[in-house]
Amino acid sequence: KAGVTQTPRYLIKTRGQQVTLSCSPISGHRSVSWYQQTPGQGLQFLFEYFSETQRNKGNFPGRFSGRQFSNSRSEMNVSTLELGDSALYLCASSRGSYTEAFFGQGTRLTVV
Amino acid sequence: KNEVEQSPQNLTAQEGEFITINCSYSVGISALHWLQQHPGGGIVSLFMLSSGKKKHGRLIATINIQEKHSSLHITASHPRDSAVYICAVREKDSNYQLIWGAGTKLIIKP
Repeated sequence: KAGVTQTPRYLIKTRGQQVTLSCSPISGHRSVSWYQQTPGQGLQFLFEYFSETQRNKGNFPGRFSGRQFSNSRSEMNVSTLELGDSALYLCASSRGSYTEAFFGQGTRLTVV
Repeated sequence: KNEVEQSPQNLTAQEGEFITINCSYSVGISALHWLQQHPGGGIVSLFMLSSGKKKHGRLIATINIQEKHSSLHITASHPRDSAVYICAVREKDSNYQLIWGAGTKLIIKP
């Protein structure tokens, strides 16, 4: 059974650019959550999608957005990148909100 | 005060030692997760608990709902257990997000 797949694994972008990250959940999982991990802040919740609907959003500016497709794959977009957006972005999938979450390897974004 | 507190923040032990990592939380929860993160970033879910105790190989997780406390134990620790261990809780009647502890960095020396 394939795990959660995040692409790309590594990304370098310039300030002001935008970036799109992808997360393919485990087959049959309908919930996808996104997290940002930085050394100073730890893991911070970005948003959760369930059956193509955003159910909750963390405390991040509007530059951070996401969506989920009918096959449960999810994308996260960050526009007008800032240096502080450099982080490891993790996605987790689960069957539903109250079931075990499985994480991808993450996408390490570096903004220069 | 953080809603999820882990202790210790850092732990260095010798191979073979019995390891305990603690997690205390201040909110009502529907579930508690223990996760492991190795250098390089990948996070692996170890346990999801809502009561009692779970065991998987050398790992044991316990939770006391009344005391709002959970422990993760590692028996016969091995250098490959070196990682950051993270406790996260799903607040009851919340908006589905996990509340994360800061993590415990464990180093097991051979």
